[in-house]
Amino acid sequence: NAGVMQNPRHLVRRRGQEARLRCSPMKGHSHVYWYRQLPEEGLKFMVYLQKENIIDESGMPKERFSAEFPKEGPSILRIQQVVRGDSAAYFCASSPRQGAYNEQFFGPGTRLTVL
Amino acid sequence: ELKVEQNPLFLSMQEGKNYTIYCNYSTTSDRLYWYRQDPGKSLESLFVLLSNGAVKQEGRLMASLDTKARLSTLHITAAVHDLSATYFCAVISAGGSQGNLIFGKGTKLSVKP
Repeated sequence: NAGVMQNPRHLVRRRGQEARLRCSPMKGHSHVYWYRQLPEEGLKFMVYLQKENIIDESGMPKERFSAEFPKEGPSILRIQQVVRGDSAAYFCASSPRQGAYNEQFFGPGTRLTVL
Repeated sequence: ELKVEQNPLFLSMQEGKNYTIYCNYSTTSDRLYWYRQDPGKSLESLFVLLSNGAVKQEGRLMASLDTKARLSTLHITAAVHDLSATYFCAVISAGGSQGNLIFGKGTKLSVKP
């Protein structure tokens, strides 16, 4: 049973370009969380999605950032017109059910570098 | 707003010594997680503490939870170099129902021979 998969693992973009980060949850998991980790910091929640629905996007910047989790295919975190401050590691986690009592399993992360 | 504070943020210790990492959180939560992260890697789940007084042990690591004091501890016994990593605690957000985690800043542990 494969774990949470993320790709690419490393992504380099120039300022103003778009970044697309993909997350495939564990088999049987329909809930996905995205977190961002700045250097020397803990992870910060960005967005929580179920299939075809955004449940909570309270941690996501209002501009340039969007997320989706289509019926088929991976969840995608999209950052438009990237700036240097977007450089970070982006982790997704999946869980099998909704709610506060379901453990989240983390993917390997995508490390975004904005030049 | 739920806040999670860890201390110390940096810990350098010698092999064979014992030490404790502390995790305080600001509002009610009855589920706390400890994770380990190696440089450039993802998070590895160490412990899930579900209730007041919970204690779990795995090898040289032992975690406990006091929900009344809003405090969890991660105790390291007879440290070895392989334990060098960053350790995070995390709790479920005050919103509760959605399950997103609030993380501390992490404790960077370096175990020296």
